[in-house]
Amino acid sequence: GESVGLHLPTLSVQEGDNSIINCAYSNSASDYFIWYKQESGKGPQFIIDIRSNMDKRQGQRVTVLLNKTVKHLSLQIAATQPGDSAVYFCAENRGGYNKLIFGAGTRLAVHP
Amino acid sequence: SQTIHQWPATLVQPVGSPLSLECTVEGTSNPNLYWYRQAAGRGLQLLFYSVGIGQISSEVPQNLSASRPQDRQFILSSKKLLLSDSGFYLCAWKRTTNTGELFFGEGSRLTVL
Repeated sequence: GESVGLHLPTLSVQEGDNSIINCAYSNSASDYFIWYKQESGKGPQFIIDIRSNMDKRQGQRVTVLLNKTVKHLSLQIAATQPGDSAVYFCAENRGGYNKLIFGAGTRLAVHP
Repeated sequence: SQTIHQWPATLVQPVGSPLSLECTVEGTSNPNLYWYRQAAGRGLQLLFYSVGIGQISSEVPQNLSASRPQDRQFILSSKKLLLSDSGFYLCAWKRTTNTGELFFGEGSRLTVL
């Protein structure tokens, strides 16, 4: 079946470096994508979203890139901080904006 | 402002016992409501979603069920729990617009022994 998945299950970075978390999706009909951050024992929190009519969107220290040709999504975090340590999920919106399907997640570990 | 509450936060239940997790949303009307399950170290699996009172869509076959008796109340239930039902259950809501952002509750950790 169609799914959203991640290339890397874990990512370790040094504090201050930039982080890039990747995500592949297979449903070409999905037209809206979201990145979530989940800290241990908590519910996921919204980071940034992007519609399929865009290829880049920037927030505070975060940038999402969408490549529809290869069905690839990435989250870039600038100047990674210890507080960025968490599991990051990409998700695609299906079913007329009624269903959000999540990928497996990538754990980001930030080292001093 | 909108808030979402789910309870209990932690639950330990024996195999074969019933389950009831509750979720309520405040500060909005006619939200879409969702139940997700997260196994340890895994992603989020969509279990059920509801676009209105009494309207439930099931995403995966299982021994769980969901109900929406009121506009802002969503309940996850089971008559007989299995070991495989253990996990972190997350309730979420979104506006019925074309933005897809989900707002999640803090989760309910269920351990079935």
